[in-house]
Amino acid sequence: AQSVAQPEDQVNVAEGNPLTVKCTYSVSGNPYLFWYVQYPNRGLQFLLKYITGDNLVKGSYGFEAEFNKSQTSFHLKKPSALVSDSALYFCAVRGTSGGSYIPTFGRGTSLIVHP
Amino acid sequence: EPEVTQTPSHQVTQMGQEVILRCVPISNHLYFYWYRQILGQKVEFLVSFYNNEISEKSEIFDDQFSVERPDGSNFTLKIRSTKLEDSAMYFCASSEREGQDTQYFGPGTRLTVL
Repeated sequence: AQSVAQPEDQVNVAEGNPLTVKCTYSVSGNPYLFWYVQYPNRGLQFLLKYITGDNLVKGSYGFEAEFNKSQTSFHLKKPSALVSDSALYFCAVRGTSGGSYIPTFGRGTSLIVHP
Repeated sequence: EPEVTQTPSHQVTQMGQEVILRCVPISNHLYFYWYRQILGQKVEFLVSFYNNEISEKSEIFDDQFSVERPDGSNFTLKIRSTKLEDSAMYFCASSEREGQDTQYFGPGTRLTVL
């Protein structure tokens, strides 16, 4: 069975500082990995994904994520946080064996960027 | 930019009543999904739908749930007899293809069962 862990319920960072939101996963086969952001009273908004190729993936709003196969991680990063980045972030994974096309989501990490 | 829309934004119902949640996926997408998110918990997959039939469903998607694409644009989730524990945000999503393709989510319907 595939699973996702987001070990931090909340991440606090000062505006202008770099941010990292952690995600580790477990799947059968190679992983497809996704990050979504959820603003209050809104649906999930796609940020970026890793399918294959370069381990560093760049996405929307200056976010990037690094796929690390040996550590089974896909941490979300941004060099300089904005107050407007404050939201709930979800990591999702699906494997490439077993026949299921459905991603499994993590519990979410609340990112709070302080002015 | 095209987006997934959902109606209503908030539905309040009495336990035991039937509800229908509506979604309009992105027009050229072929795969449709429903997810739910109980308050403070993670997003959970309910069902996927392609070519007018269910392709996958989770254990949550029991006989009380059904999905339908009644016309060329709408995709609905019906809960036949709601329970208190059905209270959650329900998200519709669509994708152009399956697998590695990105799923685009609607804003959700908040269902409150009293």
